[in-house]
Amino acid sequence: AQKVTQAQTEISVVEKEDVTLDCVYETRDTTYYLFWYKQPPSGELVFLIRRNSFDEQNEISGRYSWNFQKSTSSFNFTITASQVVDSAVYFCALRRGSQGNLIFGKGTKLSVKP
Amino acid sequence: DAGVIQSPRHEVTEMGQEVTLRCKPISGHDYLFWYRQTMMRGLELLIYFNNNVPIDDSGMPEDRFSAKMPNASFSTLKIQPSEPRDSAVYFCASSLTGLGARGNQPQHFGDGTRLSIL
Repeated sequence: AQKVTQAQTEISVVEKEDVTLDCVYETRDTTYYLFWYKQPPSGELVFLIRRNSFDEQNEISGRYSWNFQKSTSSFNFTITASQVVDSAVYFCALRRGSQGNLIFGKGTKLSVKP
Repeated sequence: DAGVIQSPRHEVTEMGQEVTLRCKPISGHDYLFWYRQTMMRGLELLIYFNNNVPIDDSGMPEDRFSAKMPNASFSTLKIQPSEPRDSAVYFCASSLTGLGARGNQPQHFGDGTRLSIL
């Protein structure tokens, strides 16, 4: 079975704090893809990153970084020096290599206070 | 470039009425997906198409829901008759087939249709 778990329902931090959003996935496939999406209060879904199961190299993009560890089936997302504009719901998602649909976690609501 | 376009952005109607949601995918994308988002159930895949052909409709909740993709640039999701529990945000997304070195392509989402059934 395919499953994505985001155990943190809500996180609240103060601006400039670092915050890590956890994502744990389950799959029996050897080829799969992991995604993070951001849903700001305006409601749209914004693509952040895609990783494939063969590339465990961590990635950094500005204040965002992702830690992919197959040993623990985790794909965690860290925001460094958080800003109020980072306030949103963040979704982790899994896609099997041979199919098109995304399986989403329940999302983590991040609130960054000034 | 234009993204995925959904219409209407908001729809409020009375239960029992027919509701039609529309989606225009990104030109050239060969996959199209319909999702539903509610507080209770989160984001759920309803159905997806590849080259205009429905591939997996196992997420469609009931026979009251139907989706069509008559051509590569247009899809509809229809609810008939609508019920209050259908109230949700409905997202359409599209993507390219991603194989080999290009990897699996991300899905690009529309802004969603917020549906309220009274």
